[in-house]
Amino acid sequence: EVQLVESGGGLVQPGGSLRLSCAASGFTFSSYWMSWVRQAPGKGLEWVANIKQDESEKYYADSVKGRFTISRDNAKNSLYLQMNSLRAEDTAVYYCARLHATNAFDIWGQGTTVTVSS
Amino acid sequence: DIQMTQSPSTLSASAGDRVTITCRASQSIRSWLAWYQQKPGKAPKLLIYKASSLESGVPSRFSGSGSGTEFTLTISCLQPDDFGTYYCQQYNSYSSITFGQGTRLEIK
Repeated sequence: EVQLVESGGGLVQPGGSLRLSCAASGFTFSSYWMSWVRQAPGKGLEWVANIKQDESEKYYADSVKGRFTISRDNAKNSLYLQMNSLRAEDTAVYYCARLHATNAFDIWGQGTTVTVSS
Repeated sequence: DIQMTQSPSTLSASAGDRVTITCRASQSIRSWLAWYQQKPGKAPKLLIYKASSLESGVPSRFSGSGSGTEFTLTISCLQPDDFGTYYCQQYNSYSSITFGQGTRLEIK
């Protein structure tokens, strides 16, 4: 079964850090671009970051540039998001998603919740 | 950044109705548009990619059309299970991906 499972969410104070993980299974992880997409409470979807198969290209939304870092470990079939200098507006459910060659997100994880609050 | 504008924001329809949701891009995205359905507390589900291609396993009552800046998602015969929020998503480059604000579909 093709699956993405996120972990690492939680409650963190403003200015703090958190590292999210996403474990992939059921497909050749190293063959796909991967992404993080988030959704603030009661709001719409926001693309956060993309990473190429070999990590040679990484892209970020302006809202997280310079604070978040996307990475991957193809040997472990895992995707990561290091989040630093967290702000209240980063509070959201964070989804790991596979970016298909059709430029659509065809596989999504169940999401992990990040709450930034004092 | 490319802005995506969906309309309407909320839609109420009855089972059996034909429903259309529109998504407009602030500049041409050729056919790089996808549609998703999201139910409360769940991850989005891909319905349509490349503007008009139906994702595997998605019922044929869902269809997409358009190119350039104007796109539509049509549900030909609304079913009770089609409630939820629908999002369009554009791809202009790997550094420029945006979603519409969503259309909430309620079944009367």
